[in-house]
Amino acid sequence: AQSVTQLDSHVSVSEGTPVLLRCNYSSSYSPSLFWYVQHPNKGLQLLLKYTSAATLVKGINGFEAEFKKSETSFHLTKPSAHMSDAAEYFCVAPPISSGSARQLTFGSGTQLTVLP
Amino acid sequence: NAGVTQTPKFRVLKTGQSMTLLCAQDMNHEYMYWYRQDPGMGLRLIHYSVGEGTTAKGEVPDGYNVSRLKKQNFLLGLESAAPSQTSVYFCASSYSEAGYTFGSGTRLTVV
Repeated sequence: AQSVTQLDSHVSVSEGTPVLLRCNYSSSYSPSLFWYVQHPNKGLQLLLKYTSAATLVKGINGFEAEFKKSETSFHLTKPSAHMSDAAEYFCVAPPISSGSARQLTFGSGTQLTVLP
Repeated sequence: NAGVTQTPKFRVLKTGQSMTLLCAQDMNHEYMYWYRQDPGMGLRLIHYSVGEGTTAKGEVPDGYNVSRLKKQNFLLGLESAAPSQTSVYFCASSYSEAGYTFGSGTRLTVV
């Protein structure tokens, strides 16, 4: 079994300051992990994905995440927040490739507010 | 534009009414999914399909039915709507675990 825990339901930062959104995972094996972003009244957009090729993953819009097996973490960061980054962010694990299960495992989401 | 299209975008139903949500994708993906999103709970899988003519239950299938008669379409049906089905519904399609594309959602209110 696997699970994904987002440690903060809400994060507020000022424009131009760093962003840190925290995600811990629990899995009996080394997983793949994604970060998705959801802007208001929109679908989910893939920001970046970790698939064991490199522990530091760069995504779109200046975001990056580092997979740390020793800490079972996959935190999302951005050096300088922009107003357009205000959205909800989901840490997601893909399905375990066994049997017919095809279910993504979603964290509960982190709402990012960017203050002017 | 390639992607996943959901119709309708908004709907209000009375308790006991039925409706069908349509999802269409033009990327030739084998896998399609229906999720519901509720505050503080992320997305939960209702039903999914691994190919034309196939369907399977997800985490929260009760009260819903699905059909995949054509590869590009995945329909979600509510036979007798209940207030607990008030939610935002997302369709997604994929070719692999790393390639999910989501629709923009359907906001359903059951009164």
